[in-house]
Amino acid sequence: GESVGLHLPTLSVQEGDNSIINCAYSNSASDYFIWYKQESGKGPQFIIDIRSNMDKRQGQRVTVLLNKTVKHLSLQIAATQPGDSAVYFCAEKEDTGFQKLVFGTGTRLLVSP
Amino acid sequence: DTEVTQTPKHLVMGMTNKKSLKCEQHMGHRAMYWYKQKAKKPPELMFVYSYEKLSINESVPSRFSPECPNSSLLNLHLHALQPEDSALYLCASSPTAGVNQPQHFGDGTRLSIL
Repeated sequence: GESVGLHLPTLSVQEGDNSIINCAYSNSASDYFIWYKQESGKGPQFIIDIRSNMDKRQGQRVTVLLNKTVKHLSLQIAATQPGDSAVYFCAEKEDTGFQKLVFGTGTRLLVSP
Repeated sequence: DTEVTQTPKHLVMGMTNKKSLKCEQHMGHRAMYWYKQKAKKPPELMFVYSYEKLSINESVPSRFSPECPNSSLLNLHLHALQPEDSALYLCASSPTAGVNQPQHFGDGTRLSIL
């Protein structure tokens, strides 16, 4: 079946560095993508989303890039902080008429002081 | 603090017990969801409710029975569960189910089956 996956299971960075988390998706019909952050013991927290008619969207310290040609999504975090340490999931919405989200496998981001 | 509230936070039950998980949101959202998340894995969709009606059942075993008594509440009734059902159960909501809007998650109920 279709799947959303990540290339790197763990990313370790120093505080203040910029982080890039990547995600590959395989369903070319997906029209909406979301990045979530999940801290230990908590539910996924919405970070940023992007629709398929866009290729870039910026938030506070975060940027999502969408490359539909190669079906690739990335999350860039500027000036990474220890509080950014968490597991990050990308999710795509399948075009079923209902918002059925398919999550990628996740990347753990470790930020050291 | 999350705007989707799930109770209880932890639940331990035997395989013959009957229990219920509860989820509540007061954001006026009309779509609500149940997900199952195993350790070190992504959330997997179980059920979607839209305007209090079940819209998607992802072939979930009948020992899991969802209920949406009103637009703010979502329950998951559990009966005769198996040890492999031990997981974090997440509830989410979104304004509607048919448009591109993010789902907002609760912090889940961690379920352990003895």
